[in-house]
Amino acid sequence: AQSVAQPEDQVNVAEGNPLTVKCTYSVSGNPYLFWYVQYPNRGLQFLLKYITGDNLVKGSYGFEAEFNKSQTSFHLKKPSALVSDSALYFCAVRRYNTDKLIFGTGTRLQVFP
Amino acid sequence: EAQVTQNPRYLITVTGKKLTVTCSQNMNHEYMSWYRQDPGLGLRQIYYSMNVEVTDKGDVPEGYKVSRKEKRNFPLILESPSPNQTSLYFCASRAGVRTDTQYFGPGTRLTVL
Repeated sequence: AQSVAQPEDQVNVAEGNPLTVKCTYSVSGNPYLFWYVQYPNRGLQFLLKYITGDNLVKGSYGFEAEFNKSQTSFHLKKPSALVSDSALYFCAVRRYNTDKLIFGTGTRLQVFP
Repeated sequence: EAQVTQNPRYLITVTGKKLTVTCSQNMNHEYMSWYRQDPGLGLRQIYYSMNVEVTDKGDVPEGYKVSRKEKRNFPLILESPSPNQTSLYFCASRAGVRTDTQYFGPGTRLTVL
């Protein structure tokens, strides 16, 4: 069965420091992987996706993610965090021949000034 | 502006009173879906639709109905709401290709008393 794990409910980081939000997945076949961000009282906004090709994917707002097939991970990263990055982040996976998108439980990122 | 809209944004109702949450997209997307978001559970898919008159169950379809009579609209119907359907609901759409990004509406916060 497909599944996505976000092992940290919350990540705290100081502004200017690098941040990592972890995501691991379990899916048979080639996965399509996505990161979304949710700001308070807003819908989910797309950040980036991995379909195929380079393992390092660059997305919106300076975020990037690295696909690691051997570790079945797709961690979200940013070199220098901003207070405005504080939000709820969701990782999601879709198996290549299906339409269902499975979401993780979300990680709340808190960036302190 | 390309967008997914939902109405109402907030709704408080009582057990057993039928309600409909509307969803509309202006991107000519073929694929639409409904999710509910609950603390600690992330987003779970309720129903999805591949195209007009084609719908299928997601992970948590019990107590919900949908219809897809037009490409742009995908209403969510609760025939007899119950308190366990109190949640934050999101509608989403994407083009037909499975690699495409899913776009989300702003959400509907439903409270069933």
